[in-house]
Amino acid sequence: EAGVAQSPRYKIIEKRQSVAFWCNPISGHATLYWYQQILGQGPKLLIQFQNNGVVDDSQLPKDRFSAERLKGVDSTLKIQPAKLEDSAVYLCASSLDRAEQYFGPGTRLTVT
Amino acid sequence: AQRVTQPEKLLSVFKGAPVELKCNYSYSGSPELFWYVQYSRQRLQLLLRHISRESIKGFTADLNKGETSFHLKKPFAQEEDSAMYYCALRGQGAQKLVFGQGTRLTINP
Repeated sequence: EAGVAQSPRYKIIEKRQSVAFWCNPISGHATLYWYQQILGQGPKLLIQFQNNGVVDDSQLPKDRFSAERLKGVDSTLKIQPAKLEDSAVYLCASSLDRAEQYFGPGTRLTVT
Repeated sequence: AQRVTQPEKLLSVFKGAPVELKCNYSYSGSPELFWYVQYSRQRLQLLLRHISRESIKGFTADLNKGETSFHLKKPFAQEEDSAMYYCALRGQGAQKLVFGQGTRLTINP
C-alpha cells in the first residue's frame, strides 16, 4: 500500500513569514496526526483528527498554528507568523482507529 | 501526566554484544508501551508493542509495571541495528502517542 505522503520535504523561511504543509494519509485511515519534532527531542503531538473532526489539539499553539482536514482525507498545517523556535521536522501520521500509526517522511522547516 | 524518559541519548556497542535501551514511564493507569525505530533516511516505524509480546528483528521488551519500565533488549547486536530508537506510551482510551526523546544506537564493527 502507498504510505503517508507529505510535501514539501524541506522549507526555509524567514521569521514572521507564513508556511503551509500538506499531508495525504493512507487510504481509508480515519485518524490523522500532526507531530512536531524539534532537534534532539521525540515527536510531540500537535493535533489529531478523526475523519474531519478535531479530537485533540491541546498542544497546538493556536495563536499561530492552524490545521484543517477538509473532507476527512488530506490535511494542511499552517504556521502564521513563524518564529525561530518553530524550526523542526513536522511529521504526519495516520492510523485505523487505535491501530498502528504510519508516519510520513516529514517536512523539515528552518526559520531564519 | 504522561511522561516517557529515555536516559541515554547515545549508546554505542560492538557487534555481537548485548544491547539494552532503557525506557521509563510515568502514568497513573494501565498504559500501552511501544518502541519505534528510525533507520538512516527512513521513516519512523513501529518496532514492537508490549501487548503483542513478540520478538521483532531479535528485539524484545517486557513491561515492568513495578519499575514503570519498558527496556528494549537484544542479545547479539548487528550493524544493521544502528538507528534512532524511541519509546512511546499511549494512555487508556487514548490514541495519541507520547514519545521519549530517543536513543541513538550505534553498532561498531
